[in-house]
Amino acid sequence: TQLLEQSPQFLSIQEGENLTVYCNSSSVFSSLQWYRQEPGEGPVLLVTVVTGGEVKKLKRLTFQFGDARKDSSLHITAAQPGDTGLYLCAGAQDSSYKLIFGSGTRLLVRP
Amino acid sequence: DTEVTQTPKHLVMGMTNKKSLKCEQHMGHRAMYWYKQKAKKPPELMFVYSYEKLSINESVPSRFSPECPNSSLLNLHLHALQPEDSALYLCASSQDWGTGGANGYTFGSGTRLTVV
Repeated sequence: TQLLEQSPQFLSIQEGENLTVYCNSSSVFSSLQWYRQEPGEGPVLLVTVVTGGEVKKLKRLTFQFGDARKDSSLHITAAQPGDTGLYLCAGAQDSSYKLIFGSGTRLLVRP
Repeated sequence: DTEVTQTPKHLVMGMTNKKSLKCEQHMGHRAMYWYKQKAKKPPELMFVYSYEKLSINESVPSRFSPECPNSSLLNLHLHALQPEDSALYLCASSQDWGTGGANGYTFGSGTRLTVV
């Protein structure tokens, strides 16, 4: 059973479109991170959110942590081909220091 | 220096070979990790080292043997692997084990391992 479920699993969109990726759990997390991974490379940290209801913006990317700290979303505005990659959410719980990765969302932005 | 460096980038080994994967960071991070990632799957935790001591072994088979010679280096010794062990092996580090979740992990580019 995957503790962190991401949806959609795969998304193919045209350049310029907007999209939202969801990361959901029935468990509470003390913090949640988003990573992007390109083929043949390691994941790169995009953002960490720690407060319920927190919203962080990184250029065209907007990250939100749910009020109950059980879910998060990543919204990309005006997607570009350079946004193509595997997006991973990862959560840390107070009871365990282990970082738990979500199932991943593979994004393809077509020129 | 804000990187985690992994060598080699690619490795092909036979089932009777012994090889080692190396990981190095000079960010002063005191927690280092080995992850295994199969194609189209998220990374799976294998080992955690905190202050050069093994803190977590996620029931990894003994054919994988981690070693932390000092606070900047992490090795993964491989022996008698199986073809199903073929994967991308990722090393990561964080400031320390307890706050890694809040401060984020820095990952290396990985070693693509193929067992033949």
